Amino acid sequence: EILLTQSPGTLSLSPGERATLSCRASQSVSSTHFGWYQQKSGQAPRLLVSGASSRATGIPDRFSGSGSGTDFTLTISRLEPEDFAVYYCQQSVTSPWTFGQGTKVEI
Amino acid sequence: QAQLVESGGGLVKPGGSLRLSCAASGFTFSDYFMSWVRQAPGKGLEWVSYIDGRGSTINYADSVKGRFTISRDNAKNLLFLQMNSLRAEDTAVYYCTRANYVLDVWGQGTTVAVSS
Repeated sequence: EILLTQSPGTLSLSPGERATLSCRASQSVSSTHFGWYQQKSGQAPRLLVSGASSRATGIPDRFSGSGSGTDFTLTISRLEPEDFAVYYCQQSVTSPWTFGQGTKVEI
Repeated sequence: QAQLVESGGGLVKPGGSLRLSCAASGFTFSDYFMSWVRQAPGKGLEWVSYIDGRGSTINYADSVKGRFTISRDNAKNLLFLQMNSLRAEDTAVYYCTRANYVLDVWGQGTTVAVSS
């Protein structure tokens, strides 16, 4: 099983600041099968970034993904009020598909 | 645009059964893997199962293997999750997702509560 470890667990920032979220895999993950998701309170998750660096349809360009192998990063260049949420990384290279434990971005 | 709508959740006693459904629209359903993901109250996301477009490749999380069965009806654009021998720890919101290398379309979720 590929374990995904996200850090930090919680990120306390203000609107306009830059957020850097990390996801580390226990073994190498194909970028094609790696994604970042955003979940706002009371809502279903939504895909933000796929293939490690490709923004999903409709996702603002302040969101960017990078990384490969075992280390991946999601960057939010300038936080907007609506960006305060929980972010998850996920891999679907091998079964069981796994998620990181989440990073909460809070004010 | 692609849309997924789950149904079938509810309150069930431990040991009971429930069948979740997911209606897909806006895309060629049979072209895609589909998956179920759940989220227990206050917890993170947990992948449950996936099925390929033809229904021939299926996988389950160890936590549900032998109790849950995923299936699909491509003629009706429906995905199912048959859940048997339910336990308290199966209490969660269950999301239907389209799997296109990543989980690119999500339903709104259906709530399953297992309690006596």
